[in-house]
Amino acid sequence: GAGVSQSPSNKVTEKGKDVELRCDPISGHTALYWYRQSLGQGLEFLIYFQGNSAPDKSGLPSDRFSAERTGGSVSTLTIQRTQQEDSAVYLCASSYRGAYEQYFGPGTRLTVT
Amino acid sequence: GIQVEQSPPDLILQEGANSTLRCNFSDSVNNLQWFHQNPWGQLINLFYIPSGTKQNGRLSATTVATERYSLLYISSSQTTDSGVYFCAVELLRGGRGTSYGKLTFGQGTILTVHP
Repeated sequence: GAGVSQSPSNKVTEKGKDVELRCDPISGHTALYWYRQSLGQGLEFLIYFQGNSAPDKSGLPSDRFSAERTGGSVSTLTIQRTQQEDSAVYLCASSYRGAYEQYFGPGTRLTVT
Repeated sequence: GIQVEQSPPDLILQEGANSTLRCNFSDSVNNLQWFHQNPWGQLINLFYIPSGTKQNGRLSATTVATERYSLLYISSSQTTDSGVYFCAVELLRGGRGTSYGKLTFGQGTILTVHP
């Protein structure tokens, strides 16, 4: 079946603009995760969804970052007033349920100029 | 302090050689996965192995949860094995807490296989 998909694959934006990143999980997976990969910080957890609720937002780096999930499926990560330090690859993963094997999408490479 | 530590950080091999990658973690784990990140950045699942031993072709993995480490074995390496190998764990701090799959990644091992 289809894997996790993300869009766009690349995004270049100017400092101060808002961006939206989209994730389509594997069909039937109730758990969804966002991670970020950057040169200085490696791979780090951002937020976890179980269904439409987000019990753990502890990894969001600032209040400029928010995420939502609708219909227990698609998720959107929004970054407001982007800064250069937001440049990174944003990865989405899904699993059948929380604490099961996670499968990752191809990522969105965000560049803030 | 360091929660997930991978070694070695870099590894260079000739095609056909065998290698062992190690992952040490600082607390009890509920979930442990090994990934291969290919040159295009895609994380490819290798093993879901919170305990025990698994094998898949030329690759195998062993996790000894009581001693807080996991090993990834690559035999008869090929140039296509090149890339970054990540260990990721869900830590249960103090052996307690609700498990839902939040993964903490190691810094990775960069593997280069020469023909």
